[in-house]
Amino acid sequence: SQTIHQWPATLVQPVGSPLSLECTVEGTSNPNLYWYRQAAGRGLQLLFYSVGIGQISSEVPQNLSASRPQDRQFILSSKKLLLSDSGFYLCAWRRGGNYNEQFFGPGTRLTVL
Amino acid sequence: GQNIDQPTEMTATEGAIVQINCTYQTSGFNGLFWYQQHAGEAPTFLSYNVLDGLEEKGRFSSFLSRSKGYSYLLLKELQMKDSASYLCAVRDVNYGQNFVFGPGTRLSVLP
Repeated sequence: SQTIHQWPATLVQPVGSPLSLECTVEGTSNPNLYWYRQAAGRGLQLLFYSVGIGQISSEVPQNLSASRPQDRQFILSSKKLLLSDSGFYLCAWRRGGNYNEQFFGPGTRLTVL
Repeated sequence: GQNIDQPTEMTATEGAIVQINCTYQTSGFNGLFWYQQHAGEAPTFLSYNVLDGLEEKGRFSSFLSRSKGYSYLLLKELQMKDSASYLCAVRDVNYGQNFVFGPGTRLSVLP
């Protein structure tokens, strides 16, 4: 069976500090990978997606970046966090091709102070 | 672009039936999904519709009308554990087959 992991679960960072969130998927190969952000009381906003190693598409221009150094590893980064970066960050995967559901990781709650 | 609308909040009584509506506008519709999200947790998949009609899965059913850009999620025999946010999402072929999520409907089930 497939599992998806995210860490850390919670993070409190000062404004201007760097960020690195990690997501790994087990039990599947060549998944499509996604990073979403969910601000308090709001819907899911797609930040980045990747269909393969080294392939990153950005949906929202901002001070965040993503990388996929390995097939089942997806990393979300920032060089300098802003207050507006606070939120619930969710990683998700979906089988490539015409498979349907997305499966979400447990999420990282980020608070920027 | 894409646009998805859902009611912000709904309240229902334990044992009752509730219908959560979702309307969408998208250029390359390729499926509509419903997810359940408990507070502080990740969304979990509930249902998928790509053709018009009703899909039933236990206490939950989902309906789709592509011509009207409309879907609903029907929850029967409500239980307290059904208190959660329900997210409507549309997959769009003109958006890289990616999902566009609605704002979610927060459902409170009262005893």
